[in-house]
Amino acid sequence: AQTVTQSQPEMSVQEAETVTLSCTYDTSENNYYLFWYKQPPSRQMILVIRQEAYKQQNATENRFSVNFQKAAKSFSLKISDSQLGDTAMYFCAFMKLWPDSGGSNYKLTFGKGTLLTVNP
Amino acid sequence: KAGVTQTPRYLIKTRGQQVTLSCSPISGHRSVSWYQQTPGQGLQFLFEYFSETQRNKGNFPGRFSGRQFSNSRSEMNVSTLELGDSALYLCASSLSPNQPQHFGDGTRLSIL
Repeated sequence: AQTVTQSQPEMSVQEAETVTLSCTYDTSENNYYLFWYKQPPSRQMILVIRQEAYKQQNATENRFSVNFQKAAKSFSLKISDSQLGDTAMYFCAFMKLWPDSGGSNYKLTFGKGTLLTVNP
Repeated sequence: KAGVTQTPRYLIKTRGQQVTLSCSPISGHRSVSWYQQTPGQGLQFLFEYFSETQRNKGNFPGRFSGRQFSNSRSEMNVSTLELGDSALYLCASSLSPNQPQHFGDGTRLSIL
């Protein structure tokens, strides 16, 4: 079974600064996806960024980027130029890519989350 | 394009009752997954449907069930409700199985 660990229950950052959220995972699989989702107080889970394990290049989405270290099973999220709207719970998630049997067998395994507060 | 729609947003039930939650995926999405979110256990996978077939099920008792209709809309049902079933139930849909999942706002279920 896969496990995802987020070791920082809470973090805070000043507006406009950079913050890095940590995530480690455990799997014996070679093909998988990793995701970061954010859940603001409005509670909708929003996809922030995705990384395919077979890609060596780190994914970036505007102010969000990841540092993917496959051998170390580490997947950290860097938020640059933090904004007040970035205040949210951030979840790291793993999705195993099972063999395609003509259908689907995909599920997300989530970490416990990191509550990020951006201070003005 | 409308996002994932879950109804109702809030629900209050008593122990022993049953409940049905609804999820309408993004138009064109055929895969629907359900998750339970609680403060203690975090986010846990319930089940996943694709083309009206349950493809995968999480470690939940048989009181939790679901189905998917031909238009990809999905429902989940919980029978004989227990206090521990109080949670936020999230539905997610994806265009195809290997695409990112997009979540709805969830249904907050409270058991009295």
